[in-house]
Amino acid sequence: QKEVEQDPGPLSVPEGAIVSLNCTYSNSAFQYFMWYRQYSRKGPELLMYTYSSGNKEDGRFTAQVDKSSKYISLFIRDSQPSDSATYLCATQTSGSRLTFGEGTQLTVNP
Amino acid sequence: GAGVSQSPSNKVTEKGKDVELRCDPISGHTALYWYRQSLGQGLEFLIYFQGNSAPDKSGLPSDRFSAERTGGSVSTLTIQRTQQEDSAVYLCASSPYFSKHYEQYFGPGTRLTVT
Repeated sequence: QKEVEQDPGPLSVPEGAIVSLNCTYSNSAFQYFMWYRQYSRKGPELLMYTYSSGNKEDGRFTAQVDKSSKYISLFIRDSQPSDSATYLCATQTSGSRLTFGEGTQLTVNP
Repeated sequence: GAGVSQSPSNKVTEKGKDVELRCDPISGHTALYWYRQSLGQGLEFLIYFQGNSAPDKSGLPSDRFSAERTGGSVSTLTIQRTQQEDSAVYLCASSPYFSKHYEQYFGPGTRLTVT
């Protein structure tokens, strides 16, 4: 079993839709949870991180962690074509190591 | 300011040759990480540097892989006797705080193709 599981998609939505991206993780000891965005042929870019459970909002983006179900979510409101990218969830699994999900490829159609 | 830079952006090499990949982290960032990204595999952690030392090199897949960092800045990832399965995008990231591994800034990567 992978430490972090993520549906690779692809996911295609119309402009303005609410997007929900999800991951599950295996170890209840994980404390930090991150979402990265990666455009084609670019390196990942940190969008948000959360510590432990709860929600964190930044503009149109909301990250949510449910430690009881080991579930991580990223919601994008009023999605735009510029949001089209691959979204990677990650957790800090031990010490310096981050473990990433496989990434979900999102396309927002104008 | 300038972000993390990597060179070359693309590298094509023949099986059995050695390659060196370079990473220039953001100035002042103390922590530096190397990852490998393969199709369908996601990002795979390779090694972490704190200053010039590598307290975690547990992700290096074999002894053909090595890395060093000098002057607390530039890092080089070396792959000896390259194999076709080494073909991937190699990403470098840096962090301003060695205690905040969750805050990493990535470079654009080096796309390595082994023929």
